[in-house]
Amino acid sequence: DQQVKQNSPSLSVQEGRISILNCDYTNSMFDYFLWYKKYPAEGPTFLISISSIKDKNEDGRFTVFLNKSAKHLSLHIVPSQPGDSAVYFCAANTGTASKLTFGTGTRLQVTL
Amino acid sequence: GAVVSQHPSRVICKSGTSVKIECRSLDFQATTMFWYRQFPKQSLMLMATSNEGSKATYEQGVEKDKFLINHASLTLSTLTVTSAHPEDSSFYICSAGQGGVASYEQYFGPGTRLTVT
Repeated sequence: DQQVKQNSPSLSVQEGRISILNCDYTNSMFDYFLWYKKYPAEGPTFLISISSIKDKNEDGRFTVFLNKSAKHLSLHIVPSQPGDSAVYFCAANTGTASKLTFGTGTRLQVTL
Repeated sequence: GAVVSQHPSRVICKSGTSVKIECRSLDFQATTMFWYRQFPKQSLMLMATSNEGSKATYEQGVEKDKFLINHASLTLSTLTVTSAHPEDSSFYICSAGQGGVASYEQYFGPGTRLTVT
C-alpha cells in the first residue's frame, strides 16, 4: 500500500520556467510533509517542509503548497535551473522523530 | 542544515562475511536514527528505526538477525550486515532527526554502496 504517491516519474522543464512536482497521500494521520532532492549514489538532501496546519511555505526559489482536503501537496521551483536536475522525493511523517514514508520520486530534468 | 556522515562510502565484501556501516550525526545529538535501503531506480525503503540505548524497531520483512543495529550513543548508530549475500548488495542510507523544534525533519547521510561478490 503506497501511502505517498508521486504519479509522475519524470518531468522536463526549460531553464527559467517553473517546475511543479506533485505528491498525493492517503494517510490522514500524516501531519508533516517534506521534500528531498537526491542525486545518484548520494543521500537525499532536505529542501523544504510544511506542517499540516499551514497551506504554504516558501524558501527562496522553492515553495511547497499543501491542500489537506485533497491530500495533495506540490513543490514549485521558480525559476528552474540546470542544477535542479535530480530526483525529488516527497515524504511524510506522523510526529516528532517518527519514520518517514517516501513517495516513489520524480526525476526532474531542467533543459537549457 | 545538520550534517550526517556515513562510513564507509563504498565497500566490497565476499559472500558470507559481515560488514559494518557507521552513521554519525556530526553537529547534533540524535536519539533516533533511521536506516534505509534503496534499490536502483526505486524509492527509499525504511529498514529499521534505531533508538539510542534500546533495541531497534524493524520494519516488516526485515530480518533483525541479519541486519544488526546498535545505537550506542547519541551521535552514532551502526548497521551490520551479517553473513552477506549478493542479494544484500544495495545502497544503504541512514538519517537522523535533530530533536526539539525541528524534530520532524530528518537529515540523511551520503549513503554506503555495498557490493557482495
